[in-house]
Amino acid sequence: NAGVTQTPKFRILKIGQSMTLQCTQDMNHNYMYWYRQDPGMGLKLIYYSVGAGITDKGEVPNGYNVSRSTTEDFPLRLELAAPSQTSVYFCASTKEGGGYTFGSGTRLTVV
Amino acid sequence: AQSVSQHNHHVILSEAASLELGCNYSYGGTVNLFWYVQYPGQHLQLLLKYFSGDPLVKGIKGFEAEFIKSKFSFNLRKPSVQWSDTAEYFCAVSFKAAGNKLTFGGGTRVLVKP
Repeated sequence: NAGVTQTPKFRILKIGQSMTLQCTQDMNHNYMYWYRQDPGMGLKLIYYSVGAGITDKGEVPNGYNVSRSTTEDFPLRLELAAPSQTSVYFCASTKEGGGYTFGSGTRLTVV
Repeated sequence: AQSVSQHNHHVILSEAASLELGCNYSYGGTVNLFWYVQYPGQHLQLLLKYFSGDPLVKGIKGFEAEFIKSKFSFNLRKPSVQWSDTAEYFCAVSFKAAGNKLTFGGGTRVLVKP
């Protein structure tokens, strides 16, 4: 039982480059979330999904995009990387009335 | 918008001291409440959660939390801390009216001196 799997664990991007952070869960959870964690700021919600084909913006969606074509996968896309997107990104999933399971995070640096 | 506030950003204490971390949330109807811990260099781990029932919740590693509905609070406690409790602690609330999204407090860094 893998839980929530995020790849890659680390990445360095140049300004203007694009990349996709992958997130997969094998628990058949309907709800999936992307958070970013910055020092002293806690975790901020970027995007979330309540099921396949349904996504919505969180608190800090600018500069990101998501898709949810399957229940298992919820990739996060950065189109034009900026230094302000240097952060640690966490994917999480849950089901109605359940606890949340977090991935191990992706540490992204934009230079 | 729903919000979660943690009162202390940093706490420093000695081993065997008691710990209490405050957490308040804005009114939002039905809520589920969580405390997570993040050890240095690691990802979030669930300490405890409250969905319903007894408002005093016991979690792992000797932690407990009390839900006081009238005060919109969910404070975390541990009677006697250890050096290994050095970590960052996050209170989080999911508001049913907001699609079960988990809203986090800003975190409290706890340093336990040996």
